[in-house]
Amino acid sequence: AQRVTQPEKLLSVFKGAPVELKCNYSYSGSPELFWYVQYSRQRLQLLLRHISRESIKGFTADLNKGETSFHLKKPFAQEEDSAMYYCALSNTGGFKTIFGAGTRLFVKA
Amino acid sequence: DTEVTQTPKHLVMGMTNKKSLKCEQHMGHRAMYWYKQKAKKPPELMFVYSYEKLSINESVPSRFSPECPNSSLLNLHLHALQPEDSALYLCASSWGGRDTEAFFGQGTRLTVV
Repeated sequence: AQRVTQPEKLLSVFKGAPVELKCNYSYSGSPELFWYVQYSRQRLQLLLRHISRESIKGFTADLNKGETSFHLKKPFAQEEDSAMYYCALSNTGGFKTIFGAGTRLFVKA
Repeated sequence: DTEVTQTPKHLVMGMTNKKSLKCEQHMGHRAMYWYKQKAKKPPELMFVYSYEKLSINESVPSRFSPECPNSSLLNLHLHALQPEDSALYLCASSWGGRDTEAFFGQGTRLTVV
């Protein structure tokens, strides 16, 4: 069965501190993993995907198949990073994307 | 145009009403989706259309009826809803395939009274 677990509902850090949002997944095949972000009063949008191995807004995420994890990291958090972050997984066919419960990141000044 | 547009933004309907939610995209995407999002919960997949054909129905009650009139439009017809169906309904589109980004609309906030 497909499952995405984000264990933290809320993560609060100070500006300039490192941040790590955890994501673990369960999937029998080879997954495609994404991080989506929703800023206040904005639509849900893609932040990054594992296959492109890129850094967006200073965020990176590495797929660890051994630990079935796809944690999102940023070395120095900014206030504008405050948002809701969802880890998501697409199945082999690509049409079924499921979301984790989400982690609200709050970056304090 | 890289947006998914949903109308209306807000909808209040009675349990005996019939209403429709509309979604439009002009990015040439071949996959379109309906998600339901309750407060403080993640989006839950309801339906997927691929090349204008329904490819996934996540066991959604028949009081929700999707329709894809063409590759740019997606409707969700609502009839005899219950108060617990009140939620934010999100439409999304993508090229399809595993590594493709889903573009989301702003959603329709539905209240069933």
